Amino acid sequence: KNQVEQSPQSLIILEGKNCTLQCNYTVSPFSNLRWYKQDTGRGPVSLTIMTFSENTKSNGRYTATLDADTKQSSLHITASQLSDSASYICVVSAAAGGGNKLTFGTGTQLKVEL
Amino acid sequence: SQTIHQWPATLVQPVGSPLSLECTVEGTSNPNLYWYRQAAGRGLQLLFYSVGIGQISSEVPQNLSASRPQDRQFILSSKKLLLSDSGFYLCAWNRDIYNEQFFGPGTRLTVL
Repeated sequence: KNQVEQSPQSLIILEGKNCTLQCNYTVSPFSNLRWYKQDTGRGPVSLTIMTFSENTKSNGRYTATLDADTKQSSLHITASQLSDSASYICVVSAAAGGGNKLTFGTGTQLKVEL
Repeated sequence: SQTIHQWPATLVQPVGSPLSLECTVEGTSNPNLYWYRQAAGRGLQLLFYSVGIGQISSEVPQNLSASRPQDRQFILSSKKLLLSDSGFYLCAWNRDIYNEQFFGPGTRLTVL
Protein backbone atom coordinates (compact mmCIF):
# COMPACT_ATOMS: atom_id res chain seq x y z
CA LYS A 1 0.00 0.00 0.00
CA ASN A 2 1.33 3.41 -0.98
CA GLN A 3 1.95 5.61 2.05
CA VAL A 4 3.46 8.98 2.82
CA GLU A 5 4.45 9.80 6.38
CA GLN A 6 5.48 13.25 7.54
CA SER A 7 7.23 14.40 10.66
CA PRO A 8 6.96 16.20 12.90
CA GLN A 9 3.20 16.49 13.04
CA SER A 10 3.53 20.06 14.29
CA LEU A 11 6.36 22.47 14.93
CA ILE A 12 6.74 25.88 16.56
CA ILE A 13 9.79 28.00 15.81
CA LEU A 14 10.87 31.59 16.35
CA GLU A 15 10.94 34.02 13.48
CA GLY A 16 14.29 34.05 11.73
CA LYS A 17 15.16 30.47 12.65
CA ASN A 18 15.58 27.60 10.21
CA CYS A 19 13.65 24.35 10.26
CA THR A 20 13.51 21.04 8.41
CA LEU A 21 10.43 18.97 7.72
CA GLN A 22 10.63 15.28 6.87
CA CYS A 23 8.74 13.04 4.47
CA ASN A 24 9.12 9.26 4.13
CA TYR A 25 7.28 7.38 1.46
CA THR A 26 6.59 3.88 0.26
CA VAL A 27 5.08 4.73 -3.12
CA SER A 28 6.00 2.52 -6.02
CA PRO A 29 6.80 2.91 -8.82
CA PHE A 30 7.95 6.43 -7.97
CA SER A 31 7.26 9.24 -10.42
CA ASN A 32 7.75 12.52 -8.58
CA LEU A 33 7.46 14.20 -5.22
CA ARG A 34 5.93 17.57 -4.46
CA TRP A 35 5.84 19.81 -1.44
CA TYR A 36 2.76 21.98 -1.02
CA LYS A 37 2.10 24.84 1.37
CA GLN A 38 -1.45 25.15 2.64
CA ASP A 39 -2.49 28.25 4.53
CA THR A 40 -5.38 27.78 6.95
CA GLY A 41 -8.69 27.64 5.10
CA ARG A 42 -7.05 27.81 1.68
CA GLY A 43 -6.13 25.36 -1.04
CA PRO A 44 -2.58 23.94 -1.20
CA VAL A 45 -0.02 25.75 -3.35
CA SER A 46 2.95 23.96 -4.87
CA LEU A 47 6.44 24.84 -3.58
CA THR A 48 8.67 22.33 -5.34
CA ILE A 49 8.47 19.32 -7.63
CA MET A 50 11.23 16.72 -7.89
CA THR A 51 11.62 13.73 -10.15
CA PHE A 52 13.68 10.62 -9.53
CA SER A 53 16.89 12.16 -10.87
CA GLU A 54 16.70 15.38 -8.86
CA ASN A 55 18.34 15.52 -5.44
CA THR A 56 17.57 19.07 -4.50
CA LYS A 57 15.40 21.95 -5.63
CA SER A 58 15.03 25.43 -4.23
CA ASN A 59 12.26 27.98 -4.30
CA GLY A 60 13.39 31.11 -2.51
CA ARG A 61 13.86 30.28 1.17
CA TYR A 62 12.48 26.77 0.61
CA THR A 63 14.87 23.95 -0.32
CA ALA A 64 13.65 20.41 -0.88
CA THR A 65 15.87 17.35 -1.02
CA LEU A 66 15.12 13.88 -2.28
CA ASP A 67 16.88 10.59 -1.59
CA ALA A 68 15.21 8.08 -3.87
CA ASP A 69 17.26 5.22 -2.44
CA THR A 70 16.01 5.68 1.11
CA LYS A 71 12.69 7.10 -0.08
CA GLN A 72 13.04 10.21 2.00
CA SER A 73 12.54 13.88 1.31
CA SER A 74 13.03 16.97 3.40
CA LEU A 75 11.90 20.56 3.14
CA HIS A 76 14.25 23.11 4.67
CA ILE A 77 12.98 26.59 5.43
CA THR A 78 15.61 29.25 5.93
CA ALA A 79 15.19 32.44 7.94
CA SER A 80 11.57 31.74 8.74
CA GLN A 81 8.95 34.45 8.56
CA LEU A 82 5.54 34.75 10.21
CA SER A 83 3.96 34.14 6.80
CA ASP A 84 5.56 30.69 6.73
CA SER A 85 3.00 29.58 9.30
CA ALA A 86 1.01 26.94 7.42
CA SER A 87 0.62 23.23 6.82
CA TYR A 88 3.28 21.69 4.60
CA ILE A 89 2.14 18.64 2.67
CA CYS A 90 4.31 16.05 0.95
CA VAL A 91 2.70 14.43 -2.09
CA VAL A 92 4.17 11.49 -3.99
CA SER A 93 3.05 10.44 -7.44
CA ALA A 94 3.18 6.85 -8.63
CA ALA A 95 4.10 6.13 -12.25
CA ALA A 96 1.04 4.04 -12.97
CA GLY A 97 -1.29 4.25 -15.93
CA GLY A 98 -4.73 5.77 -15.71
CA GLY A 99 -6.18 8.20 -13.24
CA ASN A 100 -4.77 10.03 -10.27
CA LYS A 101 -2.07 8.12 -8.43
CA LEU A 102 -1.10 10.74 -5.87
CA THR A 103 -0.56 9.83 -2.25
CA PHE A 104 -0.79 12.69 0.22
CA GLY A 105 0.90 12.99 3.57
CA THR A 106 -1.09 14.37 6.50
CA GLY A 107 1.15 17.43 6.65
CA THR A 108 3.33 19.21 9.17
CA GLN A 109 1.69 22.16 10.87
CA LEU A 110 4.31 24.90 11.22
CA LYS A 111 3.83 27.93 13.42
CA VAL A 112 6.34 30.77 13.34
CA GLU A 113 6.26 33.06 16.36
CA LEU A 114 7.86 36.36 17.29
CA SER B 1 -3.54 32.59 -16.94
CA GLN B 2 -5.67 29.88 -15.42
CA THR B 3 -7.88 30.31 -12.37
CA ILE B 4 -10.04 27.92 -10.44
CA HIS B 5 -13.13 28.93 -8.53
CA GLN B 6 -15.17 27.17 -5.91
CA TRP B 7 -18.40 28.13 -4.25
CA PRO B 8 -19.74 28.51 -1.79
CA ALA B 9 -16.77 29.26 0.45
CA THR B 10 -18.57 28.02 3.54
CA LEU B 11 -21.73 26.03 4.03
CA VAL B 12 -23.68 24.81 7.04
CA GLN B 13 -26.27 22.15 6.29
CA PRO B 14 -28.51 19.90 8.40
CA VAL B 15 -28.16 16.13 8.29
CA GLY B 16 -30.25 14.66 5.50
CA SER B 17 -30.24 17.77 3.34
CA PRO B 18 -28.90 17.80 -0.24
CA LEU B 19 -25.56 19.22 -1.29
CA SER B 20 -24.21 20.86 -4.40
CA LEU B 21 -20.69 22.28 -4.57
CA GLU B 22 -19.46 23.82 -7.77
CA CYS B 23 -16.01 24.18 -9.24
CA THR B 24 -15.09 25.99 -12.44
CA VAL B 25 -11.78 26.49 -14.19
CA GLU B 26 -10.94 29.40 -16.47
CA GLY B 27 -8.15 29.88 -18.97
CA THR B 28 -7.68 26.29 -20.07
CA SER B 29 -9.53 23.61 -21.99
CA ASN B 30 -10.07 19.91 -21.36
CA PRO B 31 -8.53 19.94 -17.89
CA ASN B 32 -8.44 16.95 -15.58
CA LEU B 33 -10.60 17.81 -12.59
CA TYR B 34 -10.52 16.44 -9.06
CA TRP B 35 -12.55 16.60 -5.87
CA TYR B 36 -10.78 16.10 -2.55
CA ARG B 37 -11.95 16.12 1.04
CA GLN B 38 -9.74 17.13 3.93
CA ALA B 39 -11.04 16.16 7.35
CA ALA B 40 -9.62 17.86 10.42
CA GLY B 41 -6.13 16.54 11.15
CA ARG B 42 -6.23 14.25 8.16
CA GLY B 43 -4.56 14.27 4.76
CA LEU B 44 -6.28 15.03 1.50
CA GLN B 45 -8.53 12.22 0.31
CA LEU B 46 -9.32 11.94 -3.38
CA LEU B 47 -13.06 11.53 -3.92
CA PHE B 48 -13.57 11.82 -7.67
CA TYR B 49 -11.63 12.69 -10.78
CA SER B 50 -12.68 13.43 -14.34
CA VAL B 51 -10.65 13.40 -17.54
CA GLY B 52 -13.49 14.73 -19.71
CA ILE B 53 -17.13 15.75 -19.97
CA GLY B 54 -19.36 13.09 -18.49
CA GLN B 55 -16.39 10.95 -17.42
CA ILE B 56 -16.29 10.44 -13.66
CA SER B 57 -14.16 8.04 -11.67
CA SER B 58 -14.88 7.42 -8.01
CA GLU B 59 -12.03 6.63 -5.66
CA VAL B 60 -13.95 6.13 -2.44
CA PRO B 61 -17.46 4.68 -2.14
CA GLN B 62 -19.74 7.03 -0.23
CA ASN B 63 -23.00 8.93 -0.43
CA LEU B 64 -21.44 11.62 -2.62
CA SER B 65 -21.54 11.87 -6.39
CA ALA B 66 -19.85 14.04 -8.98
CA SER B 67 -20.80 15.32 -12.39
CA ARG B 68 -19.09 17.20 -15.18
CA PRO B 69 -21.78 18.80 -17.32
CA GLN B 70 -19.34 21.11 -19.10
CA ASP B 71 -15.65 20.98 -19.95
CA ARG B 72 -14.57 23.32 -17.16
CA GLN B 73 -17.28 22.65 -14.59
CA PHE B 74 -17.17 20.00 -11.89
CA ILE B 75 -19.98 19.50 -9.39
CA LEU B 76 -20.01 17.54 -6.15
CA SER B 77 -23.42 16.46 -4.90
CA SER B 78 -25.23 14.50 -2.28
CA LYS B 79 -28.88 13.62 -1.91
CA LYS B 80 -28.70 13.27 1.89
CA LEU B 81 -25.79 14.61 3.91
CA LEU B 82 -24.30 12.69 6.83
CA LEU B 83 -22.46 14.14 9.81
CA SER B 84 -19.32 12.46 8.51
CA ASP B 85 -19.53 14.54 5.33
CA SER B 86 -18.27 17.57 7.24
CA GLY B 87 -14.89 18.74 6.05
CA PHE B 88 -12.93 20.98 3.74
CA TYR B 89 -13.64 20.20 0.08
CA LEU B 90 -11.05 21.10 -2.49
CA CYS B 91 -11.32 21.09 -6.25
CA ALA B 92 -8.16 20.82 -8.32
CA TRP B 93 -7.15 20.68 -11.97
CA ASN B 94 -4.19 19.81 -14.16
CA ARG B 95 -3.44 19.21 -17.83
CA ASP B 96 -1.53 15.96 -17.38
CA ILE B 97 -2.56 13.45 -14.72
CA TYR B 98 1.05 13.22 -13.52
CA ASN B 99 1.71 16.93 -13.40
CA GLU B 100 1.20 19.41 -10.62
CA GLN B 101 -2.37 19.96 -9.53
CA PHE B 102 -3.66 23.45 -8.95
CA PHE B 103 -6.12 23.75 -6.13
CA GLY B 104 -9.13 25.97 -5.65
CA PRO B 105 -9.81 27.99 -2.50
CA GLY B 106 -11.96 25.24 -0.98
CA THR B 107 -15.40 24.96 0.59
CA ARG B 108 -15.80 24.46 4.33
CA LEU B 109 -18.82 22.21 4.87
CA THR B 110 -20.32 21.70 8.32
CA VAL B 111 -23.13 19.18 8.68
CA LEU B 112 -25.14 19.59 11.88
